[in-house]
Amino acid sequence: QKEVEQNSGPLSVPEGAIASLNCTYSDRGSQSFFWYRQYSGKSPELIMSIYSNGDKEDGRFTAQLNKASQYVSLLIRDSQPSDSATYLCAVRRASKIIFGSGTRLSIRP
Amino acid sequence: GAVVSQHPSWVICKSGTSVKIECRSLDFQATTMFWYRQFPKQSLMLMATSNEGSKATYEQGVEKDKFLINHASLTLSTLTVTSAHPEDSSFYICGIHEASYEQYFGPGTRLTVT
Repeated sequence: QKEVEQNSGPLSVPEGAIASLNCTYSDRGSQSFFWYRQYSGKSPELIMSIYSNGDKEDGRFTAQLNKASQYVSLLIRDSQPSDSATYLCAVRRASKIIFGSGTRLSIRP
Repeated sequence: GAVVSQHPSWVICKSGTSVKIECRSLDFQATTMFWYRQFPKQSLMLMATSNEGSKATYEQGVEKDKFLINHASLTLSTLTVTSAHPEDSSFYICGIHEASYEQYFGPGTRLTVT
């Protein structure tokens, strides 16, 4: 079992709709959770971090964390073509950040 | 967040030669830097943790004699790929994290070994 699991996609969402990205993790001791966006050929950039159960909103992005279910999600509202990228879920274990394999998101006009 | 630079952004080298990649923290004093490798359509894999003034910590399966890491100052870490082979061709990314453990990455170095 991978430590951080994501559906590889591609996930195709119409422009203006809500994109929902999901991630599960195996280590209950994980302490911090992150979502990164990676465009093809570029390095990842941090979108959001979340540390406690519940929702955290930042602009069009909402991160959701459920530690009991070991589940993290990212919602993107009003999806734009520029949101087309690979989204990486990451989890902190001690001093290391462990990345999922990413979900490819495609926003169709 | 922290600003990280890498140099070079891409490099092509011949099999058997060595390549040095620099990672600089431009606005943050980083006692620790992280080196990742990413193969096409795969996720980031942590190779090693670079510690300022001491030896790097390598992940299981990463050859420390092949991937030499030096962290000589709070703003500079280098990764040298020694005796490179085509299977070392990859996207190498360095990162640092702030107190919150939010990690920020350099733009990456694409290495092609011919």
